[in-house]
Amino acid sequence: DGGITQSPKYLFRKEGQNVTLSCEQNLNHDAMYWYRQDPGQGLRLIYYSQIVNDFQKGDIAEGYSVSREKKESFPLTVTSAQKNPTAFYLCASKASGELFFGEGSRLTVL
Amino acid sequence: QKEVEQNSGPLSVPEGAIASLNCTYSDRVSQSFFWYRQYSGKSPELIMSIYSNGDKEDGRFTAQLNKASQYVSLLIRDSQPSDSATYLCAVNPYSTLTFGKGTMLLVSP
Repeated sequence: DGGITQSPKYLFRKEGQNVTLSCEQNLNHDAMYWYRQDPGQGLRLIYYSQIVNDFQKGDIAEGYSVSREKKESFPLTVTSAQKNPTAFYLCASKASGELFFGEGSRLTVL
Repeated sequence: QKEVEQNSGPLSVPEGAIASLNCTYSDRVSQSFFWYRQYSGKSPELIMSIYSNGDKEDGRFTAQLNKASQYVSLLIRDSQPSDSATYLCAVNPYSTLTFGKGTMLLVSP
């Protein structure tokens, strides 16, 4: 079944720890995106990649890093430099202008 | 600065009524417009896309676009309690989508 798989769905982290969120798609889409959503807020773009081995910063890239070594995979690392990492993280891929989302990963920093 | 503005709501309508959701955008080069539905705690789901001026209908949903006024709307006919969700407007002027903060819709039985 085609789609976008994010893992883990829920993650707890202690302050000062890095954590990596996984995003895998089998839709054969070239472009992939990471958004962050805070309660009552819209989606804010963290990073995006339009092709393998290339990616660009979005509006709120500080404290995050990504890689795009394979077309299917676009992992996001939330580093200890991110001041307020508790949020709902959404991965998406794009086809013909339309963005499709995974189920999201909810990160809580204790 | 790219901006997409939506009334945060909540917009409350009775079951069976028409719900009207509105969105304005600031970037005139925008060419693609989308409406997403997001249930509480879930990820956004694409429900409508529109690319040219006028109306586009899909079942109970109608998207309306007016590029001259930089305005896009979503009408939901015969609203159902299951339509209660937050509706996100998104605009694609370049290679990324810019989202509004969403309008919460509450449909009462």
